[in-house]
Amino acid sequence: DTGVSQDPRHKITKRGQNVTFRCDPISEHNRLYWYRQTLGQGPEFLTYFQNEAQLEKSRLLSDRFSAERPKGSFSTLEIQRTEQGDSAMYLCASSPGGHLYEQYFGPGTRLTVT
Amino acid sequence: RKEVEQDPGPFNVPEGATVAFNCTYSNSASQSFFWYRQDCRKEPKLLMSVYSSGNEDGRFTAQLNRASQYISLLIRDSKLSDSATYLCVVTDSTGNQFYFGTGTSLTVIP
Repeated sequence: DTGVSQDPRHKITKRGQNVTFRCDPISEHNRLYWYRQTLGQGPEFLTYFQNEAQLEKSRLLSDRFSAERPKGSFSTLEIQRTEQGDSAMYLCASSPGGHLYEQYFGPGTRLTVT
Repeated sequence: RKEVEQDPGPFNVPEGATVAFNCTYSNSASQSFFWYRQDCRKEPKLLMSVYSSGNEDGRFTAQLNRASQYISLLIRDSKLSDSATYLCVVTDSTGNQFYFGTGTSLTVIP
């Protein structure tokens, strides 16, 4: 257990529905990342926060995806109007920042869109 | 061109064998390098950072060749518990964005 938690662990939803995932990073970490991983692939970067500021967002990220980290602690990732292609594992990772770049991952939320 | 390329394997090796994985990256300005391990249906976990001078952690040795833009991981005296997918990770020039390879699958056979 790395200390990063994610909720829910599994989510099954119908196409067109909205879903929201939560990530609680390690408390002293100021950087938080969201990734998506599909079978046979490595994690794909979605977005990154430094404290409450969203500093980078993947060019591949659809406008249906939005993320927040309102108080610089937990973060949420929302997917609107889900599509079957959104089915994946959504991973959150936190990092101390500064010159320490190692990331610590949560257990992930597995999304299945039917 | 992908930022990070890895041979997906699979590598099937007997216990006690030595196995090496390589990974190439496209951005010569990449700042930091890591190897992560991912067990089936689990999250990736940091195995080791990779430093310019090379570094060792027990049976694991990581090397970085900036001129040729590749990273390697050597596992000596393989154990059954080493069976996993090994992910090569490279950051961008700022160290803020991480790029993961597709992973190399290792199975250590009794």
